[in-house]
Amino acid sequence: EVQLVESGGGLVQPGGSRRISCVVSAFTFSSYAMSWVRQAPGKGLEWVSAISGSGSSTYYADSVKGRFTISRDNSKNTLSLQMNSLRAEDTAVYYCATGGDYGDYWGQGTLVTVSS
Amino acid sequence: DIQMTQSPSTLSASVGDRVTITCRASQSISNWLAWYQQTPGKAPKFLISQASSLGSGVPSRFSGSGSGTEFTLTISSLQPDDFATYYCQQYKTYSRWTFGQGTKVEIK
Repeated sequence: EVQLVESGGGLVQPGGSRRISCVVSAFTFSSYAMSWVRQAPGKGLEWVSAISGSGSSTYYADSVKGRFTISRDNSKNTLSLQMNSLRAEDTAVYYCATGGDYGDYWGQGTLVTVSS
Repeated sequence: DIQMTQSPSTLSASVGDRVTITCRASQSISNWLAWYQQTPGKAPKFLISQASSLGSGVPSRFSGSGSGTEFTLTISSLQPDDFATYYCQQYKTYSRWTFGQGTKVEIK
């Protein structure tokens, strides 16, 4: 069974940084693009970033471009999102999902709260 | 950017009802559309890709249709587990997803 497990969420001060990760098991990780999607409290889903299977291509929503960096380590089946210059509006549950077209598998999410 | 608009935002229905949710794209996306189901506190669950292709293990009471700019998700006979929020998502632009705002299906 494919499993995605996110970690690294927590409370961060405005302007601070946080790195969240997603470990994927039972999946041919390196063959597939991966994506991050976030959901602010009580709100809908917002795509954040994606990365190709090789890691050579990355994509970002305008709202995070220049502040967030997506990366992957195919030897460890791990996807990461480095978030810098965090703002209150970045507060959300962050989900990792498999796929570049659509997300057929999702993790349980990790909550990032940006507050002083 | 492609915008996705769902209607209605909230839908009240009873067990056994036939339910239809509409998703409209701001420009043609062919059939590059997916649907997800999300229950409170849980991750989204994939239901349908390519507008009408049911995901593995998804009950047959779910169906999708449409192409171009207008799409529908239909639940033929609503079950207790189906009370949830449903999202459409376009993937015409590879790796740049856009979601609809969601449709909450609640108990009447």
